[in-house]
Amino acid sequence: SAVISQKPSRDICQRGTSLTIQCQVDSQVTMMFWYRQQPGQSLTLIATANQGSEATYESGFVIDKFPISRPNLTFSTLTVSNMSPEDSSIYLCSVLRGARTGASGEQYFGPGTRLTVT
Amino acid sequence: GNSVTQMEGPVTLSEEAFLTINCTYTATGYPSLFWYVQYPGEGLQLLLKATKADDKGSNKGFEATYRKETTSFHLEKGSVQVSDSAVYFCALGATNKLIFGTGTLLAVQP
Repeated sequence: SAVISQKPSRDICQRGTSLTIQCQVDSQVTMMFWYRQQPGQSLTLIATANQGSEATYESGFVIDKFPISRPNLTFSTLTVSNMSPEDSSIYLCSVLRGARTGASGEQYFGPGTRLTVT
Repeated sequence: GNSVTQMEGPVTLSEEAFLTINCTYTATGYPSLFWYVQYPGEGLQLLLKATKADDKGSNKGFEATYRKETTSFHLEKGSVQVSDSAVYFCALGATNKLIFGTGTLLAVQP
């Protein structure tokens, strides 16, 4: 498995501000993902971040709201922009290990960033 | 499209009871199936996986069998412990993406 760290682990932010979350992996990985877990709910994929290309966003998520950087094979950032209380969630990054074609590759998750917007 | 339907919780059991958490899926193609676990205050951990029909994933006494004919991947454990109390997520993996079920909270009482 991969060792994944996230910073910050938690934050309380005011509405209208932005927060950048960092995800660091202890080995090089091709595919990284960002998920959101709203209170008491399941995980929803925000976007897939591949090194050297633009992130691919899922339906309902846009780059202006959730810009993502992937400068190298061990690091990615997710920014939550112009925050509102509805953005209060746990944000998790994950990496894909296993077969590159993905059907059998499992994902390993970071510890998450707990964001509260007031 | 792809989706996962998971048994709603919470599930409350006494220690040493038998556990089943139901999971069914809808998918095009041949996805991989996973169970993830989230212990209180901790991150999401991979519990077990199966990559093709009739595969059985197992870990820490938990098992799940990939049943293509019933499109199911039910999680079972013969004797639960208090330390198994957590939220369990069934997930489907296809085209490098994971689709999660809603999660099932398991509470094991001593």
